[in-house]
Amino acid sequence: DQQVKQNSPSLSVQEGRISILNCDYTNSMFDYFLWYKKYPAEGPTFLISISSIKDKNEDGRFTVFLNKSAKHLSLHIVPSQPGDSAVYFCAASAMDFGNEKLTFGTGTRLTIIP
Amino acid sequence: ETGVTQSPTHLIKTRGQQVTLRCSSQSGHNTVSWYQQALGQGPQFIFQYYREEENGRGNFPPRFSGLQFPNYSSELNVNALELDDSALYLCASSSGGGRAGDQYFGPGTRLLVL
Repeated sequence: DQQVKQNSPSLSVQEGRISILNCDYTNSMFDYFLWYKKYPAEGPTFLISISSIKDKNEDGRFTVFLNKSAKHLSLHIVPSQPGDSAVYFCAASAMDFGNEKLTFGTGTRLTIIP
Repeated sequence: ETGVTQSPTHLIKTRGQQVTLRCSSQSGHNTVSWYQQALGQGPQFIFQYYREEENGRGNFPPRFSGLQFPNYSSELNVNALELDDSALYLCASSSGGGRAGDQYFGPGTRLLVL
């Protein structure tokens, strides 16, 4: 049962335009959501997060939007740059008896076209 | 500041064998989590260690076991290897107490089981 879904395996965007990556989740217990970026031969790198009590969090070129009623979040990157080309993972977490368990989506490969 | 390191980078084993993967935490971090990332999938949580004690476990059988040492480095042991154990194994360290975004991932160990 895939509790966190990224339905687009890949996305290509022109440099300078907006990149929008989407993620859906099914577990209502998730209260914290994150985006990670992964380059080949490297581990995932934390990008941005959002708590379930917010609907938007912004950090520079990156903005994450959370729609709790739709169980949907998205990552906006604007303007997109060639260095943004990577695999992006959405992740969600819930506290379970004081322990945090992170559930990842399957990833979206973003390619920025110069 | 030294980041998270993992060894070996690549490993080939045969079915039924046992394997030990190693992770050195980032300086100052006392919590280590291990993840399995199968091809085309997102990382899946295996377990977490906090101050040498297991502190949460995902849906993995007991043949996946771990250790954390006084210097907070960690090992992942997998017994009776199966073909489906072929994956990238990631460890992530954190200082504990924060949410998952505080985790720093290593580059991973790629395990191939033949």
